[in-house]
Amino acid sequence: DAMVIQNPRYQVTQFGKPVTLSCSQTLNHNVMYWYQQKSSQAPKLLFHYYDKDFNNEADTPDNFQSRRPNTSFCFLDIRSPGLGDAAMYLCATSSRAGVTNEKLFFGSGTQLSVL
Amino acid sequence: AQSVAQPEDQVNVAEGNPLTVKCTYSVSGNPYLFWYVQYPNRGLQFLLKYITGDNLVKGSYGFEAEFNKSQTSFHLKKPSALVSDSALYFCAVRDTRGSYIPTFGRGTSLIVHP
Repeated sequence: DAMVIQNPRYQVTQFGKPVTLSCSQTLNHNVMYWYQQKSSQAPKLLFHYYDKDFNNEADTPDNFQSRRPNTSFCFLDIRSPGLGDAAMYLCATSSRAGVTNEKLFFGSGTQLSVL
Repeated sequence: AQSVAQPEDQVNVAEGNPLTVKCTYSVSGNPYLFWYVQYPNRGLQFLLKYITGDNLVKGSYGFEAEFNKSQTSFHLKKPSALVSDSALYFCAVRDTRGSYIPTFGRGTSLIVHP
């Protein structure tokens, strides 16, 4: 029944070792988001896709990249993780981006640890 | 520009008592307002939203929220709290004149004591 699926649930990586987090959706939504959330803080938007159009937040570090090969999948690549990148990463989707009353559907998140 | 404030880091309430989690907002146009709940080590789940119409909005798990335009508030309420309601609650706003990207508040931790 899960509609937004994130894998893995927990990810441990080493300092500087590239890591990829994945997200898939069964909702056929055209918008997909990646958020970073640290210790009970508000989710911070990193970037989002509206269909294939990539939108990067101005303060998202270059260390973070994303790919969306098709409607269903979206990936978050961290090229050289630092200790400060340890966080929960949340994927979310919404439909009809032009309709601003649409709610977001979130995955369960990937908890990233950097050793 | 759009913004949202949740003035309380934590709200404590006894089981069976009513609860209120506060949220105020600022937008240029009219607001679309949302509440989400996050249980430990989980993603956010949608609770309810205000788009237009009745100021009192009912949502999941017995929660409701009251939209007050003059006070620019959208407080989350429940008449009788359960221990299982203990979680992190996020208010979010979208401006009808702005981006479709919502702005989230910093969250309020609700603790319901048995």
